[in-house]
Order: sequence, then C-alpha cells, then structure tokens
Amino acid sequence: GENVEQHPSTLSVQEGDSAVIKCTYSDSASNYFPWYKQELGKRPQLIIDIRSNVGEKKDQRIAVTLNKTAKHFSLHITETQPEDSAVYFCAASIKDGNQFYFGTGTSLTVIP
Amino acid sequence: DAGVIQSPRHEVTEMGQEVTLRCKPISGHNSLFWYRQTMMRGLELLIYFNNNVPIDDSGMPEDRFSAKMPNASFSTLKIQPSEPRDSAVYFCASGGLAGRAQYFGPGTRLLVL
Repeated sequence: GENVEQHPSTLSVQEGDSAVIKCTYSDSASNYFPWYKQELGKRPQLIIDIRSNVGEKKDQRIAVTLNKTAKHFSLHITETQPEDSAVYFCAASIKDGNQFYFGTGTSLTVIP
Repeated sequence: DAGVIQSPRHEVTEMGQEVTLRCKPISGHNSLFWYRQTMMRGLELLIYFNNNVPIDDSGMPEDRFSAKMPNASFSTLKIQPSEPRDSAVYFCASGGLAGRAQYFGPGTRLLVL
C-alpha cells in the first residue's frame, strides 16, 4: 500500500516568517493530496488539496506544490500568524480509491 | 449542512464495559471512515465503508472492535469489552467520490478506567 512520510515533526517560526512542510509518497498511482489542520482539541479540517494534474495551488497565504516525478508535495504558509499554530497532516489517495494515507503530522508553532 | 455528527462527545467508562460510538455522515456522502487518534500512534484508520458496505477493516485492532453501517445516514463503532488502552479520540469522517476530501466529525473522547 501507500506510504506517506512527513517532515519535520515539529517546526517553530517567528510571526511573519514562512513555514514549509514536506511530504513524500511511495505509490505513483496516488493522485489526490489533501492537507489538514488540527488545532488542539479540535477535529482535523481540510485547508487545501491538490490533484496530480496540477503542479501548484494557492489559497491566500497557503500554497501546495506537487512534484509527481519525485513523488513529493509541500505545504507553504506565508506571513505566518499565531493562529496558524496547529498540527498539520498531509495525506495521499490512490486513483479510484477512497482511503487516505496520512502522514504523521507536523506541529507548527508561530512565535509572536 | 450540519457536517458530520458524532455522539457522545465524551465517554468515561470502566474496563470491561461495552462502549458504542455513533456517527451520522454528511448527507449525500457515500464513504464513511472511522479513525482513532492517540499521541503515541497518531491518526489510525480503523475501518471504512463504501455505500454502507465495509471495504477495509484491517485497521480494527482486534475482535473486541466491531463497526456497522445499517443505512447511509448512520454508523456505529462498538468496543466490547473495553480496555484502558482503548482510551483515545475516535473520529468519524465522511467523503464523496473517490479522490475527494474527507470531512471529520468533532470526535468522541473515550477514557476507559
């Protein structure tokens, strides 16, 4: 099955700086890559996703890039704010499959 | 849309007791997933259903765990008998077509004493 690795496991940045979280996947048949944000005590919430026919997608301060050849994708958060502090999970889904394979999460702390 | 609904939100029980967790998926979604989250093991997929049919239950820890989906709007996850190591947050999520987002419910925080 698919194996998703996520780095780093923890990340601290100063407010206003950028944060980058990277994930790799193993199955070239994966074609859908969502990112979830989970605040302390809350549910994981979808913040952005990308499909394999697209190399980059942006939504305000958040962007995701995908390199199908290298089988990795990244989350970029610019102009970070304290409310961006949370655990972020990447995931991959194989074509025609419903199951998500989640990374192990990155705990992001934005220091005011 | 009310989103995914889970009940109870918190459950405290004693070892050996039966625990039943409930989930109502988003209307129109045909896939339902049960996850367990702990600090040690992260987010684990326990089982998922497509059109009310269990597709993959390889993540179910052992025979003490069982899940059902009698119709498109309701699913249960049962633990019998419960053990302290079952203490975790249990999330239900629902999704539409393959390759589409999953949406998580608020979770059930289970503590087994």
